[in-house]
Amino acid sequence: SQKIEQNSEALNIQEGKTATLTCNYTNYSPAYLQWYRQDPGRGPVFLLLIRENEKEKRKERLKVTFDTTLKQSLFHITASQPADSATYLCARSTGFQKLVFGTGTRLLVSP
Amino acid sequence: GAGVSQSPRYKVAKRGQDVALRCDPISGHVSLFWYQQALGQGPEFLTYFQNEAQLDKSGLPSDRFFAERPEGSVSTLKIQRTQQEDSAVYLCASSLAVDTEAFFGQGTRLTVV
Repeated sequence: SQKIEQNSEALNIQEGKTATLTCNYTNYSPAYLQWYRQDPGRGPVFLLLIRENEKEKRKERLKVTFDTTLKQSLFHITASQPADSATYLCARSTGFQKLVFGTGTRLLVSP
Repeated sequence: GAGVSQSPRYKVAKRGQDVALRCDPISGHVSLFWYQQALGQGPEFLTYFQNEAQLDKSGLPSDRFFAERPEGSVSTLKIQRTQQEDSAVYLCASSLAVDTEAFFGQGTRLTVV
């Protein structure tokens, strides 16, 4: 089956460090990978999209990489802040339709 | 409106009851999606509309689930004869066009008792 997998364990880091979250996919090559942030009781908020022919994309303190050889995307938050604490979801798509999400990784940034 | 609005915010239904969940997308957004999110899981796709046309309903779990968007704006997700396994957060999202960012509402938390 075409799975998308994220580490279900929470990631705890200290303020100021770089957080790195992993998204792995198997049995297919998605055209796009997207990253979303979800806070408790809220809907997901779109952060970044990376296409299969792009190796890296940046937006402010966020950076996403896409390694089609490893079948993996890494999501980095540099100079992390307590306000970055949330669940981060990876999703694959062939366009912006029918997103298939991973289970999400909870990030906790301690002051 | 400023964002995607869903109502009710919370719904408790007795098993076997029918429920209707409403989604008001951002004005002018062509695409509308429904997702189901169980506790501790990522959202799972249910169905997709482009204007009033339901182009993909492959994620609807059973024929008890029905969605409509008759005028290409507001959408309703209806669940008939609710079961306990239907308990989840139902998320609606809209996007301006086919290949643009989707904006999610806050969701409706459905609890079937």
